[in-house]
Amino acid sequence: AQTVTQSQPEMSVQEAETVTLSCTYDTSESDYYLFWYKQPPSRQMILVIRQEAYKQQNATENRFSVNFQKAAKSFSLKISDSQLGDAAMYFCAYRSITDKLIFGTGTRLQVFP
Amino acid sequence: GAGVSQSPSNKVTEKGKDVELRCDPISGHTALYWYRQRLGQGLEFLIYFQGNSAPDKSGLPSDRFSAERTGESVSTLTIQRTQQEDSAVYLCASSLDISGYYEQYFGPGTRLTVT
Repeated sequence: AQTVTQSQPEMSVQEAETVTLSCTYDTSESDYYLFWYKQPPSRQMILVIRQEAYKQQNATENRFSVNFQKAAKSFSLKISDSQLGDAAMYFCAYRSITDKLIFGTGTRLQVFP
Repeated sequence: GAGVSQSPSNKVTEKGKDVELRCDPISGHTALYWYRQRLGQGLEFLIYFQGNSAPDKSGLPSDRFSAERTGESVSTLTIQRTQQEDSAVYLCASSLDISGYYEQYFGPGTRLTVT
């Protein structure tokens, strides 16, 4: 069975600085998708970024980028120029081609002015 | 357009009572998912529906949990004889179809508290 591990329960960053959130996963599949979701206090899950496993190029969305290491089964999220609005729970998630999402336990990110 | 909606937003019930949670997916989305999020934890998959196919119920924790979906519209998650360990936020999501290519859009969730 696939598993997703987030080893950092909490992280903090100064406004305008850069922070990296870690995620590792375990799977025997070769094709799959990886995601980072943001969950603010409103509970609404918001997709931040996604990565297709067959793509070697790391995904980027504005200030958010990933470091996808397929052989190491690692998928970290880098947030550049952190903003107060980035404060939230961040969940890493795995999904095979046609199946449900499997989530990690989350990392709470605090952003200090 | 409208996103995924869920009702009620919050529900407090006594142990042993039955509860129904409702999810209205985005119009045209054939896939619908239910997840449970216990306090301080990630999301656990419960069940998903894809069009007229048989649902994947592999995540339902016990036979007290069931869900229905009418065609490609509303879904109801029912918990019978609620227990305190059922207290959690129940999140619903929908996507165009089951393929991982399509983003899952989440509703705001229903916070269930069993006293």
